[in-house]
Amino acid sequence: QVQLVQSGSELKKPGASVKVSCKASGYTFTSYAMNWVRQAPGQGLEWMGWINTNTGNPTYAQGFTGRFVFSLDTSVSTAYLQISSLKAEDTAVYYCATLEAATVTNHNWFDPWGQGTLVTVSS
Amino acid sequence: DIQMTQSPSSLSASVGDRVTITCRASQSISSYLNWYQQKPGKAPKLLIYAASSLQSGVPSRFSGSGSGTDFTLTISSLQPEDFATYYCQQSYSTPPSFGPGTKVDIK
Repeated sequence: QVQLVQSGSELKKPGASVKVSCKASGYTFTSYAMNWVRQAPGQGLEWMGWINTNTGNPTYAQGFTGRFVFSLDTSVSTAYLQISSLKAEDTAVYYCATLEAATVTNHNWFDPWGQGTLVTVSS
Repeated sequence: DIQMTQSPSSLSASVGDRVTITCRASQSISSYLNWYQQKPGKAPKLLIYAASSLQSGVPSRFSGSGSGTDFTLTISSLQPEDFATYYCQQSYSTPPSFGPGTKVDIK
């Protein structure tokens, strides 16, 4: 079945970097855009941006430019989120999610989602 | 950017109750509205897309309605596994945005 499996939890010190992976299976990886969503502890869902899995072109939401990088390795059907110069406020669960779209209309939605990766930034 | 609001922010209900959650967009989004369910420690799960279309595998007690700026998610008869947080999300324009969530817990 269509599935996204993310890498495990990470504990990092401020100023370090982290790379979260999201491995897709059950479908052609390049058929759907890959999105990233952040959820801070006890908070709601925040869209970070997306990467075109055909071209590798990333688009970042406001507030996620500079320290955040989306990348791909299509040979292993995997998307990556790298965050550099980590800050305490980056502590959150990070989700990958594919964007599925209706064939006739422009409707689209996030499905499925990875299980989430908790990144904790603490000294 | 389009802002999404939800009401109530939380509610307490009993098994078997009919539950209604409202979502409002800051501008018209036609029917570009999705609903997700999230349980503690789990990823969000798609329930409803395009305002009223039930995702495959989702029980028929869930339904969505609305268009323009006002939308509703209804659970016709609340089951024990439905206690969770529910989020609406607009897909009308970029950036896609989520409502703040409605937590449904046991009365």
